[in-house]
Amino acid sequence: QKEVEQNSGPLSVPEGAIASLNCTYSDRGSQSFFWYRQYSGKSPELIMFIYSNGDKEDGRFTAQLNKASQYVSLLIRDSQPSDSATYLCAVNTASSYYGNNRLAFGKGNQVVVIP
Amino acid sequence: NAGVTQTPKFQVLKTGQSMTLQCAQDMNHNSMYWYRQDPGMGLRLIYYSASEGTTDKGEVPNGYNVSRLNKREFSLRLESAAPSQTSVYFCASSVTVGSQADSQPQHFGDGTRLSIL
Repeated sequence: QKEVEQNSGPLSVPEGAIASLNCTYSDRGSQSFFWYRQYSGKSPELIMFIYSNGDKEDGRFTAQLNKASQYVSLLIRDSQPSDSATYLCAVNTASSYYGNNRLAFGKGNQVVVIP
Repeated sequence: NAGVTQTPKFQVLKTGQSMTLQCAQDMNHNSMYWYRQDPGMGLRLIYYSASEGTTDKGEVPNGYNVSRLNKREFSLRLESAAPSQTSVYFCASSVTVGSQADSQPQHFGDGTRLSIL
């Protein structure tokens, strides 16, 4: 089982709609969860992080974490064409020793917002 | 703010040639990382350095070597380039402090696009 899985194929959403992305992880000891946005030909850019169960909102983005079920999700409200990108889920691996901050990344989900 | 700076941005090599990818960060981060990103494979960790003077292998270290020159700089060397090493390479850095060693996000450079013929 891969450490971090993002199974959904490309997601097309109309402008103004909600885009929903899901990510599951295998290590029950993981404590830190990140969402990165990557535009084509560019580097990953951090958009959200969450450490505690529940929801965390930042502008149009909401991250949801459920450690019992080992999934983390990202909601993008009022989707805009500028949100068209690949979204990467990253999870801290609990096997890290003190001083280490190793992340396992999912393969990403492409989001296309249709005007 | 420069953040994480990678050089070069593009490079074409012939099979068997060697080269070093450079990475420097100005955020006073103690941990640094090298990833490669291939279509359909996501980001895969090559090597990382938890702190100055230490380096460890990641998921795909074969064919690469690294040097943590000082706190700011972390270089990646291909000794004998192979076509399978054609990829986009990203360097990243993060803070790792205290008991929240696993809590800090990584910040990425712009990447090096490497083609090996």
